[in-house]
Amino acid sequence: QKEVEQDPGPLSVPEGAIVSLNCTYSNSAFQYFMWYRQYSRKGPELLMYTYSSGNKEDGRFTAQVDKSSKYISLFIRDSQPSDSATYLCAMSVITGGGNKLTFGTGTQLKVEL
Amino acid sequence: NAGVTQTPKFQVLKTGQSMTLQCAQDMNHNSMYWYRQDPGMGLRLIYYSASEGTTDKGEVPNGYNVSRLNKREFSLRLESAAPSQTSVYFCASSETPGGVYEQYFGPGTRLTVT
Repeated sequence: QKEVEQDPGPLSVPEGAIVSLNCTYSNSAFQYFMWYRQYSRKGPELLMYTYSSGNKEDGRFTAQVDKSSKYISLFIRDSQPSDSATYLCAMSVITGGGNKLTFGTGTQLKVEL
Repeated sequence: NAGVTQTPKFQVLKTGQSMTLQCAQDMNHNSMYWYRQDPGMGLRLIYYSASEGTTDKGEVPNGYNVSRLNKREFSLRLESAAPSQTSVYFCASSETPGGVYEQYFGPGTRLTVT
């Protein structure tokens, strides 16, 4: 069983829709939770991070963490064609040896006009 | 600032050939990382360097070696390439080991081993 599970999609939604992207994890030692966005043939870029249970909002994006259920979500409101990308969840256990991330496999999102 | 740069962008190797992937960052970051990305597998850590002068194995280190040449540069070497090493390779850097600091990724190197 992988430490981090993510539905690969692809997910296709109409412009303006609310998108929900989800990951589950099995390692209760994970302390920080991140969402990266990756456009086609580009490197991932950090979208949001959080370290506590609850919601964190940034513009049209909301990250939600439920540590009791080992479940994280990213919500995108009023989705735009420019949101079309692969979304990767990532989690880390902070050690003195570096910030090592464990990634989900990514969910491919397409927002259509 | 260029951020994280990687060379080459594309490479085709024959089985058994060797090559070095180069990575450099201009953000004065202490930590650097090498990942590979495969369909259905996500990003997997190959090696990382928490600070200049140190390197450690990640999840999938077999078949690879790394060198932290200086604070800016971190190279990945394939001594004898195998078809299983066909992948997209990403280099990343972050400000410091420990804590949660954003990892900045390069544009990737697409490697095909025939």
